[in-house]
Amino acid sequence: NAGVTQTPKFQVLKTGQSMTLQCAQDMNHNSMYWYRQDPGMGLRLIYYSASEGTTDKGEVPNGYNVSRLNKREFSLRLESAAPSQTSVYFCASRATGGDIQYFGAGTRLSVL
Amino acid sequence: KQEVTQIPAALSVPEGENLVLNCSFTDSAIYNLQWFRQDPGKGLTSLLLIQSSQREQTSGRLNASLDKSSGRSTLYIAASQPGDSATYLCAVTNNAGNMLTFGGGTRLMVKP
Repeated sequence: NAGVTQTPKFQVLKTGQSMTLQCAQDMNHNSMYWYRQDPGMGLRLIYYSASEGTTDKGEVPNGYNVSRLNKREFSLRLESAAPSQTSVYFCASRATGGDIQYFGAGTRLSVL
Repeated sequence: KQEVTQIPAALSVPEGENLVLNCSFTDSAIYNLQWFRQDPGKGLTSLLLIQSSQREQTSGRLNASLDKSSGRSTLYIAASQPGDSATYLCAVTNNAGNMLTFGGGTRLMVKP
């Protein structure tokens, strides 16, 4: 079972470059989330989508945009990458009424 | 704003020891509390979930307790094994049930 799939797994960017992190889930979940994890810290919520067509800001949304393309896919875009955005990015999904979020394996992003 | 703290940040024990990981949170208005395991370079796996009305949950050698009024949870691991080596993250869900706030994690190493 694929679960939550994130691409790419690794990425190196130069300051000012843009990129989109992709996330897809095959569990028919309504809610999807993007987090970032910095060394020694827990995960912090960037954006979430409670259902197709809706998105809301989390704790650290500045510098990011998201798109809920359809029920399966939720993408995270960095328009002008900064070194402070060097982090590991995790996508997660949750069924409506469910308590558990299911996580992808992460995207490791370095901005030089 | 909810804040979640985990102590200790790192722990090294010999195989076979029983151990306790601690988690504290500042706002007792939570929907539930979860303990996750994170292996190096991997995503998060949910271990135990305690609803706000519950006091504890058990799964195999793991037991998690919740004292909502004091803002504390513990994860007890019995008879630790080298395979238990990982980072353990505590997270609380807000009352709306749609957002997780994570602690910084405890990095556990169990030595053979």
